[in-house]
Amino acid sequence: DAGITQSPRHKVTETGTPVTLRCHQTENHRYMYWYRQDPGHGLRLIHYSYGVKDTDKGEVSDGYSVSRSKTEDFLLTLESATSSQTSVYFCAISEDTGGNTEAFFGQGTRLTVV
Amino acid sequence: AQKITQTQPGMFVQEKEAVTLDCTYDTSDPSYGLFWYKQPSSGEMIFLIYQGSYDQQNATEGRYSLNFQKARKSANLVISASQLGDSAMYFCAMRVVNNDMRFGAGTRLTVKP
Repeated sequence: DAGITQSPRHKVTETGTPVTLRCHQTENHRYMYWYRQDPGHGLRLIHYSYGVKDTDKGEVSDGYSVSRSKTEDFLLTLESATSSQTSVYFCAISEDTGGNTEAFFGQGTRLTVV
Repeated sequence: AQKITQTQPGMFVQEKEAVTLDCTYDTSDPSYGLFWYKQPSSGEMIFLIYQGSYDQQNATEGRYSLNFQKARKSANLVISASQLGDSAMYFCAMRVVNNDMRFGAGTRLTVKP
């Protein structure tokens, strides 16, 4: 199994509070991704990183920011959580972005904003 | 832009029978990869099978095969001899070279004993 650890695994937070989710990998893969999973939508890309301090937006980036100060760590921050951000968040990694390169996923973080 | 469509929100299959999960995609890029992932009730995402756009033969991995029809832009997953443990969500995904991976909405498969 790919070495990807997400923390926390579960979190309940109040509307308006900041939240940071962490993804840690031991595979030394260059590319890291944050997805959110919602019923009827599959997984949608929030942000991704193609190297230390190199990040870009995905299709649902509003309300989220990311940082990558080390190859192994990719942080997702909700500056001011809203109920619409209640979701399951997945971190993924890949060695490159070739068409034949699969992505490996963490176990997910279930976030509830009340 | 890339788009993946899974039109079956839920499917049922009898144990030991085969089942096909549908996936269509849209891209103007000639080079891409198609992937299927399984998500059991425990929540993890498990990679099942991959098909490249230039592959001449359909991909197979054990009981999983991918029915790739390039002209129709479809990449259906076939599971043979279904088992109770196959009950899960299944996601079709596509990656275009130098791009991120996009997912369909998923199909929930239930295997009946």
